[in-house]
Amino acid sequence: EPEVTQTPSHQVTQMGQEVILRCVPISNHLYFYWYRQILGQKVEFLVSFYNNEISEKSEIFDDQFSVERPDGSNFTLKIRSTKLEDSAMYFCASSDPTGGFEKLFFGSGTQLSVL
Amino acid sequence: EDQVTQSPEALRLQEGESSSLNCSYTVSGLRGLFWYRQDPGKGPEFLFTLYSAGEEKEKERLKATLTKKESFLHITAPKPEDSATYLCAASYSGGYQKVTFGIGTKLQVIP
Repeated sequence: EPEVTQTPSHQVTQMGQEVILRCVPISNHLYFYWYRQILGQKVEFLVSFYNNEISEKSEIFDDQFSVERPDGSNFTLKIRSTKLEDSAMYFCASSDPTGGFEKLFFGSGTQLSVL
Repeated sequence: EDQVTQSPEALRLQEGESSSLNCSYTVSGLRGLFWYRQDPGKGPEFLFTLYSAGEEKEKERLKATLTKKESFLHITAPKPEDSATYLCAASYSGGYQKVTFGIGTKLQVIP
């Protein structure tokens, strides 16, 4: 069964450093997302991406964050200058509009720890 | 503000003991109500979509229902493998691709 894959599974970084989280969405999906979950809190929407551009973003997704689909298979989230409060599990998701775009297929996440 | 609230936050059941999880929403222009299952250290796994009041969906021991203000996830004769966190989520007409999640109900089924 096709799945969303994320790398790395764990990332430790120093405050102020740049990190790039990588995702390979399901190949025939057209919508791509990043969500995050701080330990013990809700899964929070960050950004959605469609047709090579951001279609929606939350208040969390400020100028420190960016997303890119550099080729036909990868989808990345970059945090330019990490802060302690960026520590969270980051989930990539994708969806196929024919199945209902809210039917999200999530990866297993990247646990980001900012020290 | 659009909100999704789940109760209880944690539920412990004996194997075979049926129960229901609650999700109430205050979302203007609800487009869809979703249930996901999340295992520890994993991403949420899609279970159901409900679009209109009165709608019901079933999958094995799980049945999801929707009213105008809340949704229920009924678990019939649960097994230990049903232990997980169950997340309710909603999308609304004002947030085209945004899905808002509740905090979840952590279910533990004891053999």
